Amino acid sequence: AQSVTQLDSQVPVFEEAPVELRCNYSSSVSVYLFWYVQYPNQGLQLLLKYLSGSTLVKGINGFEAEFNKSQTSFHLRKPSVHISDTAEYFCAVSAPYSSASKIIFGSGTRLSIRP
Amino acid sequence: ETGVTQSPTHLIKTRGQQVTLRCSSQSGHNTVSWYQQALGQGPQFIFQYYREEENGRGNFPPRFSGLQFPNYSSELNVNALELDDSALYLCASSSDRGHTGELFFGEGSRLTVL
Repeated sequence: AQSVTQLDSQVPVFEEAPVELRCNYSSSVSVYLFWYVQYPNQGLQLLLKYLSGSTLVKGINGFEAEFNKSQTSFHLRKPSVHISDTAEYFCAVSAPYSSASKIIFGSGTRLSIRP
Repeated sequence: ETGVTQSPTHLIKTRGQQVTLRCSSQSGHNTVSWYQQALGQGPQFIFQYYREEENGRGNFPPRFSGLQFPNYSSELNVNALELDDSALYLCASSSDRGHTGELFFGEGSRLTVL
């Protein structure tokens, strides 16, 4: 079985500053990893995913994440945030080729951007 | 391309009542998954429907039930509502049971149980 831990429930950051949202996972098998974003009063949207290959994954809106197998981490980063990045971010994990029923979501990190 | 749509967007019920939530999947998708998102938490998997058959269920009691129709739209039914059922209910569609993990979410139905 897989599990995912998002270490920070809230991350405040100033506009144009860099940000890192932390995610650690636990699994006895290889994994697929995801970051989803949820803007206020909306559903979730896929930001990026790691299935295999390069450990540095680039997503939409200038976000990227790095898969670190030895540290079982998949931290999300952005070099310069904008007010529009204010949202809740969810890390998720699943086993390869399993159905959507096996995607496990973390508890979320609320990113708040200060002008 | 039509995205995932859910109805109603908001509703208020009282304890013991029943509720039906509806979801239209994205064009070309044959799989619908339902999630419950309580305030301040991540989505919790309820169940998934693939080609009109239930294809996996999370840790939810039988009073949570569902259907998928030939056009791949879906319903979530909850009987005997409890206060703890208050949450945002999210529907997500995907192709082929979502093996690559890319789910397309609707904006959700926010249920309040009084």
